[in-house]
Amino acid sequence: SQKIEQNSEALNIQEGKTATLTCNYTNYSPAYLQWYRQDPGRGPVFLLLIRENEKEKRKERLKVTFDTTLKQSLFHITASQPADSATYLCAPPCGSARQLTFGSGTQLTVLP
Amino acid sequence: DAGVIQSPRHEVTEMGQEVTLRCKPISGHDYLFWYRQTMMRGLELLIYFNNNVPIDDSGMPEDRFSAKMPNASFSTLKIQPSEPRDSAVYFCASTRAGPGNEQFFGPGTRLTVL
Repeated sequence: SQKIEQNSEALNIQEGKTATLTCNYTNYSPAYLQWYRQDPGRGPVFLLLIRENEKEKRKERLKVTFDTTLKQSLFHITASQPADSATYLCAPPCGSARQLTFGSGTQLTVLP
Repeated sequence: DAGVIQSPRHEVTEMGQEVTLRCKPISGHDYLFWYRQTMMRGLELLIYFNNNVPIDDSGMPEDRFSAKMPNASFSTLKIQPSEPRDSAVYFCASTRAGPGNEQFFGPGTRLTVL
């Protein structure tokens, strides 16, 4: 069955450093993958989408890569700030292109 | 646009009671999703609608759960009878037609069943 794994439940880094979060998937080949941010007590908010024919996507301090050979997506936040502290979820499609399967998330804490 | 609206934001009820959660999607969105989030199981899709028609309800845990979408601007998720294991945060999300379109989530309803 399809499986999504995010590298760790929690990641602590120092302000100014680059945070790297990992999303691995098995037993299928998604056409795209989305990344969301979730703050405590709130719903997830969309950040970026990367398609299978794109190696890399950038948006301000965010960068996402998609390696279909390794079946892995990496999510980077450069020059991290305490305001980046949140849980980050990867979400490839499942079944129809309309449905998403969410990973368990990685809780990022950026220490001042 | 006000975004996806959910009510109530918090619900505390006793086991055996009926619970109704409500959602108003973003105007113009063709798809509506109901999710449940718990620490143990993460964010799970329960059911989704396209143009008010239920498309996939395979995530609905059991017959105690039902969902309706009587029109394009309103959906309900009902649990009857409720059980303590139903305690979770329930999210509604909506999106436009088209593969890969981002989903817009509501603020969620935190349900506690005593």
